[in-house]
Amino acid sequence: DTGVSQNPRHKITKRGQNVTFRCDPISEHNRLYWYRQTLGQGPEFLTYFQNEAQLEKSRLLSDRFSAERPKGSFSTLEIQRTEQGDSAMYLCASSSRPTEDTQYFGPGTRLTVL
Amino acid sequence: QKEVEQNSGPLSVPEGAIASLNCTYSDRGSQSFFWYRQYSGKSPELIMSIYSNGDKEDGRFTAQLNKASQYVSLLIRDSQPSDSATYLCAVNDMRFGAGTRLTVKP
Repeated sequence: DTGVSQNPRHKITKRGQNVTFRCDPISEHNRLYWYRQTLGQGPEFLTYFQNEAQLEKSRLLSDRFSAERPKGSFSTLEIQRTEQGDSAMYLCASSSRPTEDTQYFGPGTRLTVL
Repeated sequence: QKEVEQNSGPLSVPEGAIASLNCTYSDRGSQSFFWYRQYSGKSPELIMSIYSNGDKEDGRFTAQLNKASQYVSLLIRDSQPSDSATYLCAVNDMRFGAGTRLTVKP
């Protein structure tokens, strides 16, 4: 078990460009979460999946953000028309509900929008 | 009102002392509560979860939950410099506080 992996680890983009991040959860984990974290703040919930179903999406999430988990395994998070305010660490976590409540976090993707 | 509130700190304690970290939450129907530790530049890792009123102990860590007061705390006994980190309170899996930065001084 290699843990949760995220790619890329760093992304620098220009304002207005689209970016896509990938998360590979721990195998067999049925839940996958996306968070955004800025300096000095806790992780801010974006969305989560139970298998391939997206069960909740934050009200704070604009329409520029979309996430998929097509086969209930890896997930992608896309941000369209990036803005400077999107600069943050994007964290992915997975868990094996209901048998275990621990969320295991990946190393994150740091996005910088110039 | 934020869903989950923590004192941002920083909190500084001497080595060997008890560190007390506090968290309040707004959703009275919340059922699950978690404490995570996050070292600088790293991702959060779970320390403890608690679901019922009262205390739950795990080694040097004790989580306390009071649903009537909508309050959850974490006590770290015999604090070590390696405990220096940001401690995040999470409610219902996905709602995190801003974290309390703890420094344990040798």
